Amino acid sequence: KNQVEQSPQSLIILEGKNCTLQCNYTVSPFSNLRWYKQDTGRGPVSLTIMTFSENTKSNGRYTATLDADTKQSSLHITASQLSDSASYICVVKEQTGANNLFFGTGTRLTVIP
Amino acid sequence: DAGVIQSPRHEVTEMGQEVTLRCKPISGHDYLFWYRQTMMRGLELLIYFNNNVPIDDSGMPEDRFSAKMPNASFSTLKIQPSEPRDSAVYFCASSSQRSSSYNEQFFGPGTRLTVL
Repeated sequence: KNQVEQSPQSLIILEGKNCTLQCNYTVSPFSNLRWYKQDTGRGPVSLTIMTFSENTKSNGRYTATLDADTKQSSLHITASQLSDSASYICVVKEQTGANNLFFGTGTRLTVIP
Repeated sequence: DAGVIQSPRHEVTEMGQEVTLRCKPISGHDYLFWYRQTMMRGLELLIYFNNNVPIDDSGMPEDRFSAKMPNASFSTLKIQPSEPRDSAVYFCASSSQRSSSYNEQFFGPGTRLTVL
């Protein structure tokens, strides 16, 4: 069964600290993996998209890694800011079909001053 | 471009009433998606269209739900009759395979539906 599991479910960190969010998936055949940031009351916004051949991709203070062998991805946030408080959703696309997307339930990150 | 536009942003209705949610995709995008998001289940795909044609509606929960896309710039999601368990945030997203090899989806701000 195709699934996407994220951990932790929620996380609270101090401003300026780093954190890492995890995503494990069983989706096969794999096409790509996306990390979305969803601010409260807003729609998800794409942070990174990685294909099978990409191990790491950065977007400012956000760095995503992908290990296609172990089917794991992580999102590392460096020097967190209050504006990083949001839900982070991992989404894996299956190769077949135009839109076979599998969503994780997200990690709720709260950055406190 | 203004991005994906959804209306209304909030809707409160009574059980049994008809609810219509509206979406205007990004101009030029040929895919349109309707999602539902709840705390328990996260984001779930309800239905998606390609070039205004419904492709996969297997996520539509019941016959009470219906979606239409009469033209490339407008889509509706209708719930009739609504029930309290339909309370959720409904997102519309659009994408274009021509502009992105990843077929990246761009989400609207969502409609928060509360059925009393």
